[in-house]
Amino acid sequence: SQQGEEDPQALSIQEGENATMNCSYKTSINNLQWYRQNSGRGLVHLILIRSNEREKHSGRLRVTLDTSKKSSSLLITASRAADTASYFCATDGTDRGSTLGRLYFGRGTQLTVWP
Amino acid sequence: GAGVSQSPSNKVTEKGKDVELRCDPISGHTALYWYRQSLGQGLEFLIYFQGNSAPDKSGLPSDRFSAERTGGSVSTLTIQRTQQEDSAVYLCASSLEVAGTSTQFFGPGTRLTVL
Repeated sequence: SQQGEEDPQALSIQEGENATMNCSYKTSINNLQWYRQNSGRGLVHLILIRSNEREKHSGRLRVTLDTSKKSSSLLITASRAADTASYFCATDGTDRGSTLGRLYFGRGTQLTVWP
Repeated sequence: GAGVSQSPSNKVTEKGKDVELRCDPISGHTALYWYRQSLGQGLEFLIYFQGNSAPDKSGLPSDRFSAERTGGSVSTLTIQRTQQEDSAVYLCASSLEVAGTSTQFFGPGTRLTVL
């Protein structure tokens, strides 16, 4: 499968703590994106990191990318109850067999932040 | 509109009936995607439209599924002779250009329940 795989599948923390979610993938990529989903509805784009970037920040979010290990991490600092959601990584694929235009999503990490 | 819209938001149907799900992408977005998400699962790619090119139908699970995009804008996903395993949330997304270089914007989804 070309899909990314998030780890852990579920994460439960207290408000104020940091949350780290990891994503591994199998193909070469141009970009990796992280999305958030509340209550099984539409996904919201959080951040995109290009294959030539190693780290990117956006507010309380920090994303790292290690193309040699084909892995990425999403760190949410000073978490809030409102951060409770499912988080997905998505990759494009540049290898043969990848379809131009498609994103390959993992199964997601369910984050629960307790007040 | 400001974002991707989908209708209906919920659809309950009986096994064997046909259903049509509609997606209105963001104006000017040339790429449109359909995904399916079963309970607690990741996103399953169904079909992708890019401009006037032939759609990528490689994700459609059976010949009961079809989709069209009229005038490069609105898209309809049709499921014929629905089965209980078709129950899922159907998500539509659009982007300015080919994914991997452009963020996908998701609609709120249509929750399909086949009784």
